[in-house]
Amino acid sequence: ETGVTQSPTHLIKTRGQQVTLRCSSQSGHNTVSWYQQALGQGPQFIFQYYREEENGRGNFPPRFSGLQFPNYSSELNVNALELDDSALYLCASSLQSSPGELFFGEGSRLTVL
Amino acid sequence: SQQGEEDPQALSIQEGENATMNCSYKTSINNLQWYRQNSGRGLVHLILIRSNEREKHSGRLRVTLDTSKKSSSLLITASRAADTASYFCATDESAGGTSYGKLTFGQGTILTVHP
Repeated sequence: ETGVTQSPTHLIKTRGQQVTLRCSSQSGHNTVSWYQQALGQGPQFIFQYYREEENGRGNFPPRFSGLQFPNYSSELNVNALELDDSALYLCASSLQSSPGELFFGEGSRLTVL
Repeated sequence: SQQGEEDPQALSIQEGENATMNCSYKTSINNLQWYRQNSGRGLVHLILIRSNEREKHSGRLRVTLDTSKKSSSLLITASRAADTASYFCATDESAGGTSYGKLTFGQGTILTVHP
């Protein structure tokens, strides 16, 4: 168990709606990254937050946005949901000063109908 | 985009046999990591190998890295049914020797170990 918790674990939305996913990082970790994993694919980097600011973004449109709070927890918001947004959303925490290893949560599985 | 390409896509072996998975990538890297995922759940970090390392061991795991060929392999020795999972390689392209957690994952190898 990594100490990274995500909520909700499963949710169903309809096209056009908005969704907020939450992540609590491992104690002491100051960096949170979000990944999208479509069925049968590897995770794809969405963005990363460090010191409450976005610190890098993958190839995702602006309707994917995020927040990091002073306690290092984070939210991923997706507006105007599309069918292709159906995926497992993974949050990972890490230490900015530490080389590389990410600690993943169990993910939030989003289904868009 | 998926930088790491893994081979094979699926591997089925008997308990006790060794499992070898390969990963190729396209750009310069800071390090390469291997992760395991059980049944669409969270990923678990297995091992990290830096760009200046050629081989690394951790328990029953052995990872090699060939930066000239831009490839890596993961060997699991004496496999167990509990090793059944998807295995992903992930490359870190951060510059300057400091990793920032932005990984590019391959599509993974599905390993099935039969008891």
